[in-house]
Amino acid sequence: SYELTQPPSVSVSPGQTASIICSGNKLGDKYATWYQQKPGQSPVLVIYLDTKRPSGIPERFSGSNSGNTATLTISGTQAMDEADYYCQAWDGSTEVVFGGGTKLTVL
Amino acid sequence: QVQLVQSGAEVKKPGASVKVSCKASGYTFTNYAMHWVRQAPGQRLEWMGWINGGNDNTTYSQKFQGRLTITRDTSATTTYMELSSLRSADTAVYYCARDRGIPVAGNWFAPWGQGTLVTVSS
Repeated sequence: SYELTQPPSVSVSPGQTASIICSGNKLGDKYATWYQQKPGQSPVLVIYLDTKRPSGIPERFSGSNSGNTATLTISGTQAMDEADYYCQAWDGSTEVVFGGGTKLTVL
Repeated sequence: QVQLVQSGAEVKKPGASVKVSCKASGYTFTNYAMHWVRQAPGQRLEWMGWINGGNDNTTYSQKFQGRLTITRDTSATTTYMELSSLRSADTAVYYCARDRGIPVAGNWFAPWGQGTLVTVSS
């Protein structure tokens, strides 16, 4: 079965750029999706179709996907961005896979 | 606005079944598939399956084949997830999440329900 791998944690200083990676075999041939989950809350969509941002999501959130790696980038990170981030992709046309999640800490 | 409201927390004994509901509002129910995703304490999100918006076709993760049943009541705009033969490893928060339409590779989920905690304990 298809697997997506994320680093368990990433730390960033306020105002700096945070990059969270998601690795999977030929992930660049698929679409990557990213969700933000704050403690005790449901996941929220932040990036879909590799690079698109839903309405209401700040412009500081961006995404890319190439080769075996998708990347979620948060520019000018704010304290409110501290959360768990999950990548998601499809294995074929019927199975959905999530990464293990990355805890973003804003120091 | 689009809203998914799930039923309340459940406590079940091992071997029992649980049925969680997800009431949708704010959109045309039959135009969108619904997925179920669970999250065990401190663990990753785990996709379980979906039901189509326009019919009762379902697709389940191989992991849950034989134990999972997803159904819907169109008149009530409600989707149901039933998991049988529960064991302690099934203790998790269960979420419903709307697909962007008909499930195809690349689709995303938004919004998500508030989650339902299912605790399996003797």
